[in-house]
Amino acid sequence: GAVVSQHPSWVICKSGTSVKIECRSLDFQATTMFWYRQFPKQSLMLMATSNEGSKATYEQGVEKDKFLINHASLTLSTLTVTSAHPEDSSFYICSATTSGNSYEQYFGPGTRLTVT
Amino acid sequence: RKEVEQDPGPFNVPEGATVAFNCTYSNSASQSFFWYRQDCRKEPKLLMSVYSSGNEDGRFTAQLNRASQYISLLIRDSKLSDSATYLCVVTPGGIKAAGNKLTFGGGTRVLVKP
Repeated sequence: GAVVSQHPSWVICKSGTSVKIECRSLDFQATTMFWYRQFPKQSLMLMATSNEGSKATYEQGVEKDKFLINHASLTLSTLTVTSAHPEDSSFYICSATTSGNSYEQYFGPGTRLTVT
Repeated sequence: RKEVEQDPGPFNVPEGATVAFNCTYSNSASQSFFWYRQDCRKEPKLLMSVYSSGNEDGRFTAQLNRASQYISLLIRDSKLSDSATYLCVVTPGGIKAAGNKLTFGGGTRVLVKP
């Protein structure tokens, strides 16, 4: 149980275009989802916390207008990287938790974004 | 100063040997601590929680030292499959707090060699 999927697993896009990444909880309802970014040889950095039906809370330094997050249902959250630039190339990972459950976050397999 | 700091390594470990490494955290109010394992180009996976009394899971032993604000991980009888990056994770909330924000350390890379 507690499986989280992400789609796509990898994507290459041209500079200036937008890319949407989906995060789904397959066998549980996720009231809270988190989006992380990981650059090569660096750790995961939390970008934003997303609660179903409400606006995402962004971490300091993360542009909310550039990284659009939508958590429209209890099983789906999307991250859209708008007007992507090469410096946005990174590994984007989502995780999900259930309400009333403990600390544990279930991670998706990640999406590798390359902007050319 | 980073909230969670780790020696990036790599720690080159002969197969069968023991390896140990630490992680320090800056927020004395932190309540929950974990070790995650991350393989190359994969998502992190929970290895074990860390309790004040110390805990063991097979070949893995984790310790928490609140006074000095560090946690440790020890791997005994290292296997080739233990090669990975080990991420130290800290949260401000208690273990039952849903939706806790996790703060990750930079990771310690371990390479187990035959």
